[in-house]
This record gives sequence, structure tokens and C-alpha cells, in this order.
Amino acid sequence: GAVVSQHPSRVICKSGTSVKIECRSLDFQATTMFWYRQFPKKSLMLMATSNEGSKATYEQGVEKDKFLINHASLTLSTLTVTSAHPEDSSFYICSARSPLAGRNQETQYFGPGTRLLVL
Amino acid sequence: AQKVTQAQTEISVVEKEDVTLDCVYETRDTTYYLFWYKQPPSGELVFLIRRNSFDEQNEISGRYSWNFQKSTSSFNFTITASQVVDSAVYFCALSRGLNSGGSNYKLTFGKGTLLTVNP
Repeated sequence: GAVVSQHPSRVICKSGTSVKIECRSLDFQATTMFWYRQFPKKSLMLMATSNEGSKATYEQGVEKDKFLINHASLTLSTLTVTSAHPEDSSFYICSARSPLAGRNQETQYFGPGTRLLVL
Repeated sequence: AQKVTQAQTEISVVEKEDVTLDCVYETRDTTYYLFWYKQPPSGELVFLIRRNSFDEQNEISGRYSWNFQKSTSSFNFTITASQVVDSAVYFCALSRGLNSGGSNYKLTFGKGTLLTVNP
């Protein structure tokens, strides 16, 4: 159980275009999902927390108008990189908080990631 | 503020050797969770273990074992009889517990340790 998928796994786009990345929890409902960014040989940087039915909470320094997050259902969160530029090229990973988490069972499960290359 | 330190940036061992990955954390919370994740070259983060702050029992799962020492704020990970398939980046992470007012279960990651197991 607790499988998270991401689509697409890899995307190449031209500068100025927008790219949408989907994150789905396949076998559970997730009220909370997270979006991370990872540069080569670096750790994961939390970008935002996505809550179903409400606005996302962005980390300091992350442009909310640049990285649009929508969590329209309990199994889907989307990240849209608007007007992408080469510096947005990165590995984007989502995670979902398992609803099986009781008071003491907190765990996040991660998707396989999306490699974005902006030319 | 929370912090996770993985002092070992890279470790290289020969197959069948035992290897220990260090993790030291800082938190002011009385309740918190500690995690280890594995990131193979494919990029996906694989959940390995979660440990609650009030449970200091060490755990063994096959060739993997974890040593949680609250007195030294450490949560070290040992792989016994390492195999080539163990080659990956390993991340230690920390999140706040419910009793600590935390919140949206954000994970604080260490910088990761690249483990290379040579045949």
C-alpha cells in the first residue's frame, strides 16, 4: 500500500512555456501532499504543502505565482511551473501523508519524481 | 528550529562489508519522528523506517538495523553484509510530533550520504 505516482516522469520544454506535474496517491486518500525540489547531488528542498480544498502553504522564498499548486481531490495534487525558465530545471518530487497515520504513525510516501529540463 | 546533520557525504565500501551511516538531529520538541529514506539512481525516495521519539528500541529488519540514542540525539543506520544494490543516497529526516504543535508534518532532511558498494 501507500503508493504515490507522478506524471510525467520527464519533461523537456521551451523557455516561457508552462508545465504541469501531477501527483497521485494510488491506493489511499491524502489530505496533505508536499512538493519538493532537488538539485543534482543535493538534498530535498520543501517548496510547499498542499492541502485538499484549501490554498497551498509555500515555504519562504518560493514564488507562489511561479509554482501554482492545486489539490482538487483527495488523490491528486498538481504543480504548475508557469513561464518556465532554464533555472527552473530540476527534479521535482511530491509526497503524500499516509491517511493510515494515526497519532503516532506519521509517514510520508514519495512519488518517483519528475525531471524538468527547460531549454 | 530543527536540523539534521549527516556528516558523511560519501562512503565507499566493498561488498559484504558492514557500513554505518550517521545521523545527528537537533530539535526543541519533546515529541518528534525520525526517518530514513533511500534514493537509488532512479530518483525515487524509498521509505525505510520511522521512529517515534518516545520509542528508543533499536530495530532490525533483515540486513538493516537502526540505533536510536536520544541521549546523543543520534539515529544511525547500519547495513550488514552490504550488497551492490545498496548503492544509493540515504537521507535521514526529522518531523515534529503532534504534541509539539506540529503542524503540517513537514520533513527536515539531512544532506544525504552517498553510499557506493563496490563488487
